Amino acid sequence: NAGVMQNPRHLVRRRGQEARLRCSPMKGHSHVYWYRQLPEEGLKFMVYLQKENIIDESGMPKERFSAEFPKEGPSILRIQQVVRGDSAAYFCASSAMGTGELFFGEGSRLTVL
Amino acid sequence: DAKTTQPPSMDCAEGRAANLPCNHSTISGNEYVYWYRQIHSQGPQYIIHGLKNNETNEMASLIITEDRKSSTLILPHATLRDTAVYYCIVRVAVNNAGNMLTFGGGTRLMVKP
Repeated sequence: NAGVMQNPRHLVRRRGQEARLRCSPMKGHSHVYWYRQLPEEGLKFMVYLQKENIIDESGMPKERFSAEFPKEGPSILRIQQVVRGDSAAYFCASSAMGTGELFFGEGSRLTVL
Repeated sequence: DAKTTQPPSMDCAEGRAANLPCNHSTISGNEYVYWYRQIHSQGPQYIIHGLKNNETNEMASLIITEDRKSSTLILPHATLRDTAVYYCIVRVAVNNAGNMLTFGGGTRLMVKP
């Protein structure tokens, strides 16, 4: 049973470009969460999604960031017009309905030049 | 979710037990205590959780005080690979807002040879 899969593991973008990060949850999991970890800082919740629905986006920056979890395919975290402050590790986690245990992927590390 | 307080850092000798404390004096009756850890540059890893009884699994033991205001995570025989940041999180297992976890600063455990 494969774990949470994130790709790319490393992504380099120039300022103003777009970054797309993908997350495939564990088999059977319908809840996906995105967290961001800035260098030398803690994990900050960004968004919680279920299939085709955004449940809680209270941690998402108001501009340039968006997330989706379509009926088919992985969850996507999209960052438009990236800036250097977006450089961070972005972690995805998934859970099954009704459990508090989240399983995390290995993260996608975004570097903005 | 109830707030937790953990020491920022601890050292432990390899092969000895590592005892990581956590205070959660405002915990509610339906809130569980969860422990996760994050080894450098990796995704957080679930360790254990409990409500009021002590719990043990292949990774660790969780001791919760009778009044549930504090708990201790015990790694019985710490190895160098246990060097990580350990997060104590208190939350309900299921709630309408979803299962996202709120990470604090955690305890940076350094296991030394």
